[in-house]
Amino acid sequence: AQSVTQLGSHVSVSEGALVLLRCNYSSSVPPYLFWYVQYPNQGLQLLLKYTTGATLVKGINGFEAEFKKSETSFHLTKPSAHMSDAAEYFCAVSGQGSQGNLIFGKGTKLSVKP
Amino acid sequence: EAGVAQSPRYKIIEKRQSVAFWCNPISGHATLYWYQQILGQGPKLLIQFQNNGVVDDSQLPKDRFSAERLKGVDSTLKIQPAKLEDSAVYLCASSLDGYQPQHFGDGTRLSIL
Repeated sequence: AQSVTQLGSHVSVSEGALVLLRCNYSSSVPPYLFWYVQYPNQGLQLLLKYTTGATLVKGINGFEAEFKKSETSFHLTKPSAHMSDAAEYFCAVSGQGSQGNLIFGKGTKLSVKP
Repeated sequence: EAGVAQSPRYKIIEKRQSVAFWCNPISGHATLYWYQQILGQGPKLLIQFQNNGVVDDSQLPKDRFSAERLKGVDSTLKIQPAKLEDSAVYLCASSLDGYQPQHFGDGTRLSIL
């Protein structure tokens, strides 16, 4: 069985500050891990994914995430927040070898203050 | 390339009525997914198609929900009769196959009165 826990349903940062969104997963098989972003009234857009290989993954819009197996974590970071980053972010897990059967966390809403 | 198209964008109905949603995936994508996203939660998979066959419908409430993907392209999701707890955004996604990233449509927001 697989599950995802996102710590903090709402995170607020100042423009230019570090963004850190936390995600912990549980999986009985080697996982694939994903971060998606959802802007209001839109669908989900893939930010980045970890499948195999390098544990530090770079995505679009300056975001990156690091897979830490020992901590069962896949936290999302961005060095400097921009107003346009305000959105809801979802962490998801699937079984290795497939990018179907995604299990999503409950999401973290990111607010960026000017 | 054109993205995943969904219609309608918004729908308001009364409980016990029926409703249908339509999805047109990205051309050439064999795998199609329907998700339910209740306010404040992440998307939950309802059904996954591979071409016109069902791969996973374990979380589809089959007493009221049905879905089909005739000819392996477009898909429709139906709710009959609707309950208040069905108020949600219904997202369609597609991928080249079950091993590739999913591309999402903008969803249909359903409100039940």
